[in-house]
Amino acid sequence: GAVVSQHPSWVICKSGTSVKIECRSLDFQATTMFWYRQFPKQSLMLMATSNEGSKATYEQGVEKDKFLINHASLTLSTLTVTSAHPEDSSFYICSARTARDGQPQHFGDGTRLSIL
Amino acid sequence: SQKIEQNSEALNIQEGKTATLTCNYTNYSPAYLQWYRQDPGRGPVFLLLIRENEKEKRKERLKVTFDTTLKQSLFHITASQPADSATYLCALVNNDMRFGAGTRLTVKP
Repeated sequence: GAVVSQHPSWVICKSGTSVKIECRSLDFQATTMFWYRQFPKQSLMLMATSNEGSKATYEQGVEKDKFLINHASLTLSTLTVTSAHPEDSSFYICSARTARDGQPQHFGDGTRLSIL
Repeated sequence: SQKIEQNSEALNIQEGKTATLTCNYTNYSPAYLQWYRQDPGRGPVFLLLIRENEKEKRKERLKVTFDTTLKQSLFHITASQPADSATYLCALVNNDMRFGAGTRLTVKP
């Protein structure tokens, strides 16, 4: 149980393109989903937290107009990197959690984004 | 400022030995603490969760301790195997969740 599916697993695209990444909880209802960014050999950096049906809360330094997050249902959240540039190249990982207190986050397998 | 430190960036041990990884924290009062395993190019996989009022948790060959006085959690893998080689992350949870930088464990045959 507690499977989170993230799609696509990797993307290569030209500078200026917008890229959408999907995160789905397959067998549970995710009231809260999280988006992280990870650089090589570094830990996960939280970008934003989204609760179903409400606006995402972004961490300091993360541009909300650059990284658009939508959490329209209890099983789906999307991250759109708008007008991506080479510096946006990174490993993006989502996670999901139920509303029950004390439950772990379950992670997707990440999306490797490369902007040329 | 809040700080989460995992004992070392890398740990090498021989197969069959017990691996012990450390997670220390300062200026933080976690309600609970989690350990994850991450393989290269993959998302973290949840292993164990321990609450602030629990001293120890076990799952198969894994054991976690949580000392809120020392502000430390220890993660043990007994009878380690080469397949246990991965990066292990600790994560502290209160109103939010903060990750340590991880320890890369290599178990040599």
